[in-house]
Amino acid sequence: DAKTTQPPSMDCAEGRAANLPCNHSTISGNEYVYWYRQIHSQGPQYIIHGLKNNETNEMASLIITEDRKSSTLILPHATLRDTAVYYCIVNHGNKLVFGAGTILRVKS
Amino acid sequence: EAGVVQSPRYKIIEKKQPVAFWCNPISGHNTLYWYLQNLGQGPELLIRYENEEAVDDSQLPKDRFSAERLKGVDSTLKIQPAELGDSAVYLCASSLGSRDGSYEQYFGPGTRLTVT
Repeated sequence: DAKTTQPPSMDCAEGRAANLPCNHSTISGNEYVYWYRQIHSQGPQYIIHGLKNNETNEMASLIITEDRKSSTLILPHATLRDTAVYYCIVNHGNKLVFGAGTILRVKS
Repeated sequence: EAGVVQSPRYKIIEKKQPVAFWCNPISGHNTLYWYLQNLGQGPELLIRYENEEAVDDSQLPKDRFSAERLKGVDSTLKIQPAELGDSAVYLCASSLGSRDGSYEQYFGPGTRLTVT
């Protein structure tokens, strides 16, 4: 499975968009990009995934570059409850390999 | 719809004692996963079941860890005997099958184990 690189931490002002980057330069053609998050003392929560096209759901948007070597998760209007560790994972199949993720702190 | 249910939420035991964790996946999810999460790290897969068959247990320390998924629904993860280093959060997740190779895994709240 391809490795991902994420910044260890980011801050975001409440009500502003949070843009979380992820590099996955060795991604294979059939590997998906997944985003999960983990709020303190809870299990990871699925957010969104995509293959080539940009994706949007009620939680977030996923922007994948044309060469698929990087992606950005966008939380359009961050709230304090979005403070969490965000994991970017690439794979094909159902084996998720979690890295250290990005700690997103939303501040009022 | 109920999510993945795990019990107990917290468990404190002395080393060398046995311990068991229980998981009830989302109804209809045929794939079940057990993960281990150490403090400050991401979850690591221990074992994956497709229905009642363990299809990936390569990361399960089989000398002391065991798991079962009778009837392909609920699952139990057991440690016997527990060691100090087993203190961690044990997470259960489930997913549906997939046609295109993508899977959405849904996690339970986890069981926090403390071995003293």
